[in-house]
Amino acid sequence: EVQLLESGGGLVQPGGSLRLSCAASGFTFSSYTMGWVRQAPGKGLEWVSVITATGTVTAYAGSVKGRFTVSRDNSKNTLSLQMNSPRAEDTAVYYCVKSGGDTHYSPFDHWGQGALVTVSS
Amino acid sequence: EIVLTQSPGTLSLSPGERATLSCRASESINGDYLAWYQHKPGQAPRLLIYDASSRATGIPDRFSGSGSGTDFIFTVSRLEPEDVAVYYCQQYGNSPRTFGQGTNLEIK
Repeated sequence: EVQLLESGGGLVQPGGSLRLSCAASGFTFSSYTMGWVRQAPGKGLEWVSVITATGTVTAYAGSVKGRFTVSRDNSKNTLSLQMNSPRAEDTAVYYCVKSGGDTHYSPFDHWGQGALVTVSS
Repeated sequence: EIVLTQSPGTLSLSPGERATLSCRASESINGDYLAWYQHKPGQAPRLLIYDASSRATGIPDRFSGSGSGTDFIFTVSRLEPEDVAVYYCQQYGNSPRTFGQGTNLEIK
């Protein structure tokens, strides 16, 4: 059974930093593109970032590009999202997602339960 | 980026009725790479349909998708009380991947 377990959420000050992690199990982690999707309070889903299976290619939404960095450790089956200089509008539940393959042309076929990040002073 | 516009914003129907949701793209989606997700409060979103019309593993056949290019339809043929949720379309044929704003499906 595929399991994605996010951790590291919490309260962070504007301009600070926070690192989210996602522990994956139940599949061959190193064979799949992984990513992050978020949902701000009362809003819809927003794609944030993806990283290919080997970690060589990453992509970001314009709203986070230059501030967030996605990475993965295939030896530990872990996905991470380093959030630098967060803003109030980054407040959201962040979901770890697994793609159906190692290609851009795959939907997100499994989702974690989400981690809440609140950006506030 | 491709903008996905979903309609209606809210749909209220009775059990057993048919629900039809629309997702319109601002430009043609490469490969018709469009997915539909179900999101219930307090739960993780769930993939229902991918590649516009293929059902994901374990999804009942009363859920279906169709369409191509810029116009896509998601249908629930016989509504059940547990289908209460927000439904999102998402395109993954062009970068950046984008989601529609969602349709809130209510059961009377």
